[in-house]
Amino acid sequence: DAKTTQPPSMDCAEGRAANLPCNHSTISGNEYVYWYRQIHSQGPQYIIHGLKNNETNEMASLIITEDRKSSTLILPHATLRDTAVYYCIVRVGASYDKVIFGPGTSLSVIP
Amino acid sequence: GAGVSQTPSNKVTEKGKYVELRCDPISGHTALYWYRQSLGQGPEFLIYFQGTGAADDSGLPNDRFFAVRPEGSVSTLKIQRTERGDSAVYLCASSPLGLAGERTQETQYFGPGTRLLVL
Repeated sequence: DAKTTQPPSMDCAEGRAANLPCNHSTISGNEYVYWYRQIHSQGPQYIIHGLKNNETNEMASLIITEDRKSSTLILPHATLRDTAVYYCIVRVGASYDKVIFGPGTSLSVIP
Repeated sequence: GAGVSQTPSNKVTEKGKYVELRCDPISGHTALYWYRQSLGQGPEFLIYFQGTGAADDSGLPNDRFFAVRPEGSVSTLKIQRTERGDSAVYLCASSPLGLAGERTQETQYFGPGTRLLVL
């Protein structure tokens, strides 16, 4: 799996958009970008994933650059409940592939 | 519907003892994964089951660790002669089996974890 680089921590004001960056400059053509988050004392939770195109669901939006070497997870209106560690992962999406987690970004949403 | 459940939620044991950690995956999910998470770090892969068989056990740290899934549903992670360094949160995840490229195949659903403390 390609390695990813994320800032160790970020702050965001409640109600504002949280933009979490991720670099994956060695991503392969068949690897997807996945985002998970882990709220304190809970298991990781899947958020979103994408290959080339931008993706949006009820939780977040994923913006992938045209060269696919970086991406941004956007939480449009951050709430206190979004305080968590956010993991950016790249992995092959066509079949089973274990998830390899890095240290992630610790997001603190501030009132 | 019910998510992935893990028991016990907390386990305290003494060095050298044997422990078993249980995972109940989401009903119908054929793939099951075990991860271990130390304080301040991301989860670390241990083993993956597809049905009853271990398809990838490359993450098990040594032969003190063993996992089974005899009927393709519930799985048990077994740790022999526990050491203080085994203290961690042990996470279980499951996912449905899909054809290559199906989006549903790719999402792993995690349980709340078992917090193991070896004194």
